[in-house]
Amino acid sequence: EADIYQTPRYLVIGTGKKITLECSQTMGHDKMYWYQQDPGMELHLIHYSYGVNSTEKGDLSSESTVSRIRTEHFPLTLESARPSHTSQYLCASSEIRGGEKLFFGSGTQLSVL
Amino acid sequence: DAKTTQPPSMDCAEGRAANLPCNHSTISGNEYVYWYRQIHSQGPQYIIHGLKNNETNEMASLIITEDRKSSTLILPHATLRDTAVYYCIVYGGKLIFGQGTELSVKP
Repeated sequence: EADIYQTPRYLVIGTGKKITLECSQTMGHDKMYWYQQDPGMELHLIHYSYGVNSTEKGDLSSESTVSRIRTEHFPLTLESARPSHTSQYLCASSEIRGGEKLFFGSGTQLSVL
Repeated sequence: DAKTTQPPSMDCAEGRAANLPCNHSTISGNEYVYWYRQIHSQGPQYIIHGLKNNETNEMASLIITEDRKSSTLILPHATLRDTAVYYCIVYGGKLIFGQGTELSVKP
């Protein structure tokens, strides 16, 4: 079983609030990712990291930001949430030499009212 | 990244083999084929990957044609728990998930 955790599992929040979605993995993986997925739609890569102090934007433009201060932790922040940010956010990790065998967390379902 | 084409949906009877096709005619020589699946509202799960040779693990088998332009994922004895969306991905630097095939395993 993969040891990658996302919290909270569900979040309902008002417009304008600052939120941070947490993602932690205990596998020592260097690579970490954030994907965004609307119901019934494709997953879109929004951020990724190859290691500490490394962050890159993905294929889908996102107003969120990420940080990678510790190997095991890759939080995603929205400074001012809007209804258009309502979506499921999925975190994943993989080894540098493991190809693209990603381990995914259970996701955070975000609803912005 | 090479584009993949998968049927949007398939049905399979429980206990029978599920054969999920994928076309990737523009694949490059050093690009791997990856398969993932996503059960409703959960994160995707890695299944298997391969380059040229056929591969088998405890979950599935992957058959890649000799010209590498298509592949088939085989679930040898499908169960109801195999109902999911299955993604075929050609890895060219980033994992890009398409629409996938929605597999429904029926009793």
